[in-house]
Amino acid sequence: KNQVEQSPQSLIILEGKNCTLQCNYTVSPFSNLRWYKQDTGRGPVSLTIMTFSENTKSNGRYTATLDADTKQSSLHITASQLSDSASYICVVANNAGNMLTFGGGTRLMVKP
Amino acid sequence: DAGVIQSPRHEVTEMGQEVTLRCKPISGHNSLFWYRQTMMRGLELLIYFNNNVPIDDSGMPEDRFSAKMPNASFSTLKIQPSEPRDSAVYFCASSLLPRGSNQPQHFGDGTRLSIL
Repeated sequence: KNQVEQSPQSLIILEGKNCTLQCNYTVSPFSNLRWYKQDTGRGPVSLTIMTFSENTKSNGRYTATLDADTKQSSLHITASQLSDSASYICVVANNAGNMLTFGGGTRLMVKP
Repeated sequence: DAGVIQSPRHEVTEMGQEVTLRCKPISGHNSLFWYRQTMMRGLELLIYFNNNVPIDDSGMPEDRFSAKMPNASFSTLKIQPSEPRDSAVYFCASSLLPRGSNQPQHFGDGTRLSIL
């Protein structure tokens, strides 16, 4: 069964600190892995999309890594800001492109 | 770029009533997706269209749910009759290529539906 598991479920950090969110998946065959940011009351916004051959991709203070062998991904946030408070969702697409599997998300709160 | 536009933003209605959610995708996008999000189940794909044609509706929960895309700039998701368990946030998303490719899906801000 295709699954995407994210950890932790929730996280509280102080402004300016770094943090890392984890994503493990069992989707097979694999096409790409996406990280989305969802602010409260808004739709998800794409942060990164990584294919099998990519093991790291950055978008400003966000850096995603992918280890296709262990089927793990992480999202690292550097120098966190209050505006980083949101849910972060990991999504994996299968090779045929006809199925997206969503993780349950990590809810991040950045406090001043 | 106006983004994906959904209406209404909020809908409160009594069970048994018909509910129609609307979506205008980003101009030029040829794939459109309807999702449902709840605290318990997270984001779930309901149905998606390529070039206005429904491709996969396996996520549609029951026959009470139906979706149409009469043209490239408009889609509807209808629930008839509605039930309290349909309460959720419904998102529409669009992209340039069929899902699974390396193009991001652009989401609207959703319709928060409450069935009393």
